[in-house]
Amino acid sequence: GDSVTQMEGPVTLSEEAFLTINCTYTATGYPSLFWYVQYPGEGLQLLLKATKADDKGSNKGFEATYRKETTSFHLEKGSVQVSDSAVYFCALGAQKLVFGQGTRLTINP
Amino acid sequence: DAGVIQSPRHEVTEMGQEVTLRCKPISGHDYLFWYRQTMMRGLELLIYFNNNVPIDDSGMPEDRFSAKMPNASFSTLKIQPSEPRDSAVYFCASSLGGGAYRAFFGQGTRLTVV
Repeated sequence: GDSVTQMEGPVTLSEEAFLTINCTYTATGYPSLFWYVQYPGEGLQLLLKATKADDKGSNKGFEATYRKETTSFHLEKGSVQVSDSAVYFCALGAQKLVFGQGTRLTINP
Repeated sequence: DAGVIQSPRHEVTEMGQEVTLRCKPISGHDYLFWYRQTMMRGLELLIYFNNNVPIDDSGMPEDRFSAKMPNASFSTLKIQPSEPRDSAVYFCASSLGGGAYRAFFGQGTRLTVV
C-alpha cells in the first residue's frame, strides 16, 4: 500500500538557519502530496500542497517540490524562526490521507 | 466560526470502562474524519463520514470501537471496553466537499486508559 517516510527527528536548529525535512513516498499512480504542521496542543493544519509532478507548494516561507523521479517532497525554509517550532507531517492521498511519522522541529533563539 | 470542537480535551479512564469521545464539526461541512495519533503508529485514519453516512471504517481497529454521526452537527467515537493500548490522542476533522486534505482539525482528545 501507499506509504510515507520522513526523516527521523527531533531536529534542533538555531534561529535563521536553513531547514530541510526529508520526505519520500511510495504510491500507486500520482497522488497529491502535502505538508502539515502541528503546534503544541493543537490539531494539524495544512501547510502546503502539490498536486502533480514538478509542482512547488509554498506557504509562510516554506517550500516543497513534487519530485516524481525521486519520489520525494522535501520541506525547506531558508531562515527559520522560533515560532516555527512544531511537529511537521508529510502526507499523500486524496479522499484518504496517509501520513508520515512526523518530525519534531525545535528552533532555539 | 468556532472551528471543530472536541470534548473532552483529556480523559483518563480505567481499563474495561466505556469511553465516548465527542465532536462538533464546522457548520456546513459534509465530511467528518476520526484519526488516532500514537507514538508507535503515528496518525491513522479510523473512519470517515459523508453527509452523516459512514463511508470507510477500514481503519477502525476492532469491534470495541464504534462511531456514529446522528446528525450533521455531532459525532461520537466510542470504545467499549477500553484497554491501555487505546491510549492516544484522537482527532476529529471536518471538510466541505471531497478531499481529506481540506479538512480542519479539532484540538484532539488525549485519552489515557490505566
